[in-house]
Amino acid sequence: QSVLTQPPSVSGAPGQRVTISCSGSSSNIGTAYKVQWYQHLPGTAPKLLIYGNTNRPSGVPDRFSGSKSGTSASLAITGLQTEDEADYYCQTYDKSLSDVVFGGGTKLTVL
Amino acid sequence: QVQLQQWGAGLLKPSETLSLTCAVSGDSFSGYYWSWIRQPPGKGLEWIGVVKHGGYINYSPSLKSRVTMPLDTSKKQFSLNLNSVTAADTAVYYCARGTVNDIFPFEVWGQGTLVIVSS
Repeated sequence: QSVLTQPPSVSGAPGQRVTISCSGSSSNIGTAYKVQWYQHLPGTAPKLLIYGNTNRPSGVPDRFSGSKSGTSASLAITGLQTEDEADYYCQTYDKSLSDVVFGGGTKLTVL
Repeated sequence: QVQLQQWGAGLLKPSETLSLTCAVSGDSFSGYYWSWIRQPPGKGLEWIGVVKHGGYINYSPSLKSRVTMPLDTSKKQFSLNLNSVTAADTAVYYCARGTVNDIFPFEVWGQGTLVIVSS
């Protein structure tokens, strides 16, 4: 059971906007530690999508954006494309556990 | 362009030691943090631990008693040793690179190695 809670699944039609939430606590997201988001397609290595709460690595489309407020973070994807269908994970550090933690993952289905 | 190439035994019996190695090509090695992360079948990602040239080591508390992560800077390689494995250690294991300044974000990942523990 992860200390970061994500919805198991979300879905949307091509072109639509979806958001994936990541709920934590005052010992992880609610601290100064930054939140990252990773995209994971089956059979491949995870890919860094968002770092430092809101920043996109070079090459990541601006359709992907991250935000953080209080003890929660969110990943928004606009203009959904079929290739966005993947699992998405949030990640940060938990100071109470002294551990790097991931969310349980959210499966995005593009209808 | 940095690349991580990993390898190791894919089938173990309970109580054996899991050993994986990750080789770094195309970039500096000594300045970065190097982690191992795993994903059990049907489950999410789990961080195992991190090493960095100069002696920095940090393991996840949940695995600390069974893990070592040796580093060979001359070969630009780092390894994962996990002893006394059980079926619960069955997972895809990834090596990953952090940044110069911090353990994460995990900017670059290896291709993954499936390790199955079964009698």
